[in-house]
Amino acid sequence: AQSVTQLDSQVPVFEEAPVELRCNYSSSVSVYLFWYVQYPNQGLQLLLKYLSGSTLVKGINGFEAEFNKSQTSFHLRKPSVHISDTAEYFCAVIRNSGGYQKVTFGTGTKLQVIP
Amino acid sequence: DADVTQTPRNRITKTGKRIMLECSQTKGHDRMYWYRQDPGLGLRLIYYSFDVKDINKGEISDGYSVSRQAQAKFSLSLESAIPNQTALYFCATSDGPRLAGGASTDTQYFGPGTRLTVL
Repeated sequence: AQSVTQLDSQVPVFEEAPVELRCNYSSSVSVYLFWYVQYPNQGLQLLLKYLSGSTLVKGINGFEAEFNKSQTSFHLRKPSVHISDTAEYFCAVIRNSGGYQKVTFGTGTKLQVIP
Repeated sequence: DADVTQTPRNRITKTGKRIMLECSQTKGHDRMYWYRQDPGLGLRLIYYSFDVKDINKGEISDGYSVSRQAQAKFSLSLESAIPNQTALYFCATSDGPRLAGGASTDTQYFGPGTRLTVL
């Protein structure tokens, strides 16, 4: 079975401070990993994705994430957050098994940037 | 103009009513999806479509049906709405190869969502 865990439902952080949003997954087969952002009253927007290659992935808006296979994690980081980063962030995992791909989304982490 | 639009944006209805949510896209993508979002549960896939003639059930299709009227239009229907279908519904589109399972490694583009309340 595949699951995605975002342990932190809410993360408050002061403006210009660094932030890490955690994502762990469980899967016995190869996976593809994604981070999406959802601003208030909007749909999800892709931040970054890991398909293969370098385990450090850079995305939009200064975000980056690192795929750690041994720890089955794909944590999202930003060295200095802005007020405009206040949003909900979703980790998603696609499990690829024999040409059958299923996506599972995490439950989301609300990032609140404090002025 | 938005690439993926959804109508209505908000809807309140009563148990037993038939409801249709509509999605249109101008991105020219073949693949379209319907998800529902519930607090604390993330997004779950209801149906997906590779083209007008290829429609597939997702993770939670019971109680829902879909229609792909054209490449650009994908509608979700609740034949007889029930309160536990109260949720935020998102349509999405993507490009990419046709692989079974409803997922795509290509970027998905989401609509703004429809907030449905079933009383």
